[in-house]
Amino acid sequence: GESVGLHLPTLSVQEGDNSIINCAYSNSASDYFIWYKQESGKGPQFIIDIRSNMDKRQGQRVTVLLNKTVKHLSLQIAATQPGDSAVYLCAEMLKTSYDKVIFGPGTSLSVIP
Amino acid sequence: DAGVTQSPTHLIKTRGQQVTLRCSPKSGHDTVSWYQQALGQGPQFIFQYYEEEERQRGNFPDRFSGHQFPNYSSELNVNALLLGDSALYLCASSWTGGRTEAFFGQGTRLTVV
Repeated sequence: GESVGLHLPTLSVQEGDNSIINCAYSNSASDYFIWYKQESGKGPQFIIDIRSNMDKRQGQRVTVLLNKTVKHLSLQIAATQPGDSAVYLCAEMLKTSYDKVIFGPGTSLSVIP
Repeated sequence: DAGVTQSPTHLIKTRGQQVTLRCSPKSGHDTVSWYQQALGQGPQFIFQYYEEEERQRGNFPDRFSGHQFPNYSSELNVNALLLGDSALYLCASSWTGGRTEAFFGQGTRLTVV
C-alpha cells in the first residue's frame, strides 16, 4: 500500500553540527516530495520540496536528496540551531491525486546547545 | 495575507456529540484538504474539497463529513464522537492549477471526553 516512513524516529544533534533526517517511501508513482517542519502545537510548515525529475535541491541551510532507485528521501540541515528543534515530516504527493499529501510518522529533532 | 486560518483552536466535546471545525484557505487557493493528526503520528488524510465537492477521501468513516463554500472556506463535521477522535485536525489549502505545496493552518485540537 501507500506509505511513507522514516528510518529514525528521534535524532539528537549538537548545535552547529549538520543534521540528516531520512525517509523511505513505497509508491514509485509519486512525483513530488515535500519536507515539513512541525513545532509543538502548530501545523506543518513547508521547508523544501523536490520533484521526481531531480535528485537534489538546495535551500537556505537545507538540502533535500532524492534517490528514486531505493525510494529514499533525506533532509540535510547545515549548522543546526536550537530553533531547528521540531518534528520533521516527509511527505509525498501522488501523480493520480490532486494535492493529496501522504505523510510519514515524523522524526523528532532535538538540538543540544 | 493571513494564510490558512482555522477555528476554534481548542475544543472539548463529550462522547456521542457532534462537532464542526472551520477553515479559511490562503488567498488565491481553491482546494481544501483536511487531516487528522494523533499524538506522535503524522497527519492522516481525511478528505479534500474542490469546487464545493468532495474530490478525494481517505479511510475515514461516514461520521466524518465536510463542506466547501463558494468562497472556498470549508467545514469538517464529525458526528457521534468517539474518544479515539481526539486529535489535532489540520486544514491545508492549495491551488489545484499549480501543483505546489499545500499550506497548513495551525490546527484545531479536539479532545473528546
